[in-house]
Amino acid sequence: DGGITQSPKYLFRKEGQNVTLSCEQNLNHDAMYWYRQDPGQGLRLIYYSQIVNDFQKGDIAEGYSVSREKKESFPLTVTSAQKNPTAFYLCASTALAGQPFTGELFFGEGSRLTVL
Amino acid sequence: AQSVTQLGSHVSVSEGALVLLRCNYSSSVPPYLFWYVQYPNQGLQLLLKYTTGATLVKGINGFEAEFKKSETSFHLTKPSAHMSDAAEYFCAVSHSIITGGFKTIFGAGTRLFVKA
Repeated sequence: DGGITQSPKYLFRKEGQNVTLSCEQNLNHDAMYWYRQDPGQGLRLIYYSQIVNDFQKGDIAEGYSVSREKKESFPLTVTSAQKNPTAFYLCASTALAGQPFTGELFFGEGSRLTVL
Repeated sequence: AQSVTQLGSHVSVSEGALVLLRCNYSSSVPPYLFWYVQYPNQGLQLLLKYTTGATLVKGINGFEAEFKKSETSFHLTKPSAHMSDAAEYFCAVSHSIITGGFKTIFGAGTRLFVKA
């Protein structure tokens, strides 16, 4: 079945370490997104990419980095510069062409990062 | 700027009672509006969406929402709550951006509790 796969589902990190969260989709979607979810704050956009080898900062990009070398993959690195990285991270995707342009997002199951 | 306000971070209803989750938005252009549901430690799933046309939209699991432009509202309802409806619900608005894609803004979420 088509969908978005995030891994790992749970991750523990020591302070000062970088960690990379994986996001893979087989929906042939053009755009991919990373959101951070904290209790009571909804979802906040970290980075997004509309095409391979291009990406833009979202509202809370500081301390994060991404790459988009393949259409199917959009990994997120949480760097040691991120002051409060403990959160639930969600990857999403959507098509931009070939169908009505509505902005409906398809989500992965999420990755929960805990900094010890 | 677009924004979404969900009234009430927690709503509690009895099984079989009406569910009403409130959402107000602001948008400088005709909006695409969405309700998503999230179960614990999972990603978000689309419940329903409004793009154009009929202002009363029906979604999965018996939910529906009505777009009221004059009130800038998109409240979610279900006539009879079921225990399985207990989850967190997010209202969202998407809008186009200069680079040709779009961004989605989420409300803070409303957690629905269903009492037996």
